[in-house]
Amino acid sequence: NAGVMQNPRHLVRRRGQEARLRCSPMKGHSHVYWYRQLPEEGLKFMVYLQKENIIDESGMPKERFSAEFPKEGPSILRIQQVVRGDSAAYFCASSPSTDNNSPLHFGNGTRLTVT
Amino acid sequence: GNSVTQMEGPVTLSEEAFLTINCTYTATGYPSLFWYVQYPGEGLQLLLKATKADDKGSNKGFEATYRKETTSFHLEKGSVQVSDSAVYFCALSDRGSGNTPLVFGKGTRLSVIA
Repeated sequence: NAGVMQNPRHLVRRRGQEARLRCSPMKGHSHVYWYRQLPEEGLKFMVYLQKENIIDESGMPKERFSAEFPKEGPSILRIQQVVRGDSAAYFCASSPSTDNNSPLHFGNGTRLTVT
Repeated sequence: GNSVTQMEGPVTLSEEAFLTINCTYTATGYPSLFWYVQYPGEGLQLLLKATKADDKGSNKGFEATYRKETTSFHLEKGSVQVSDSAVYFCALSDRGSGNTPLVFGKGTRLSVIA
């Protein structure tokens, strides 16, 4: 059973370009979470999605950031008009339910560098 | 709101030394507590968990006990190895009551030298 798959592993964008980060959850998992990790800091929650629905986006910046988890295909985190401060590692995690006994499974992350 | 505070690193230990990484939490409900480990260039992996007071989570020689009276979940290992060098994150989840999932501490970097 493949784990959470994120691609690309590394992404370089110039200021003003768009970044699209993809996440395929583990098989059977319908809950997807996106976290951002800045250098030497912990993970900050961004958004929680179930299939076709955004459940909690309290950690998402109000502008330029959006996320989706369509009925078919991976979850996408989209950052428009990137700025240098968007440089970070973005991690996706999935779980089969919201039960506290089902921990999150993380992907290896996408490291975004904005030049 | 919910929060996690863990000791700042980096922590540098010699092989076979005893490890403690402190973690305390603030939560409005009855959270589950977790320790995750991140090896260089990788995502986070679940190390151990405890879902209720006085539970002890253990894995790969690491242990942590859920202490409700002190709101703590300190990570311990009796004898560390070079391969334990990584960043360790304490986290809590109150997802059972619908709150924001997995709140993380800032992480503690551990370096074990031979």
